[in-house]
Amino acid sequence: AQTVTQSQPEMSVQEAETVTLSCTYDTSESDYYLFWYKQPPSRQMILVIRQEAYKQQNATENRFSVNFQKAAKSFSLKISDSQLGDAAMYFCAYRTFYNQGGKLIFGQGTELSVKP
Amino acid sequence: DAGITQSPRHKVTETGTPVTLRCHQTENHRYMYWYRQDPGHGLRLIHYSYGVKDTDKGEVSDGYSVSRSKTEDFLLTLESATSSQTSVYFCAISASLAGLTDTQYFGPGTRLTVL
Repeated sequence: AQTVTQSQPEMSVQEAETVTLSCTYDTSESDYYLFWYKQPPSRQMILVIRQEAYKQQNATENRFSVNFQKAAKSFSLKISDSQLGDAAMYFCAYRTFYNQGGKLIFGQGTELSVKP
Repeated sequence: DAGITQSPRHKVTETGTPVTLRCHQTENHRYMYWYRQDPGHGLRLIHYSYGVKDTDKGEVSDGYSVSRSKTEDFLLTLESATSSQTSVYFCAISASLAGLTDTQYFGPGTRLTVL
């Protein structure tokens, strides 16, 4: 069975600085998707970024980028130029590639605070 | 915007009572999901649906049932609510939006408290 682990329950960053959130996963599959979701205090789950395992290039989305290390089964999220609005809970998630309707498997979450 | 609404948004109920949560989508997506969110666990899948009247269990399905009689509605029922079912419940759909295929998008969540 696949598992996702976020080993940092809490992180803090100074406004305008860069922060990296860690995520590791375990799977025997070779093709899959990885995601980062953001959950602000409003509770809404917001997709931040997606990575396909078959792509070597790391995904980027404006100030958000990932460092995908397939062999190490590591998928970290880097937030550049942190803003107050980035303060939220961040969840890493895994989904199998072969089942279109496959479930997401989530990590426990990392709560990010941004200091002005 | 994936067009997902959940109702109610908040509910307080008593142990032993049945509760039904509703998820409604406007875009005819085939796949719909119910997750629960608890501290220290992230989100965990309760049930999912791959079409009208086609449903299957997730990892935490005990004490829950679901129904999908129309494409747009996916109902989650707690047959006899217990305090361990106090949680935040999220509905999700799988959609292809903004160039991303088969990605899950979430509703706003329902906070359920069982006293």
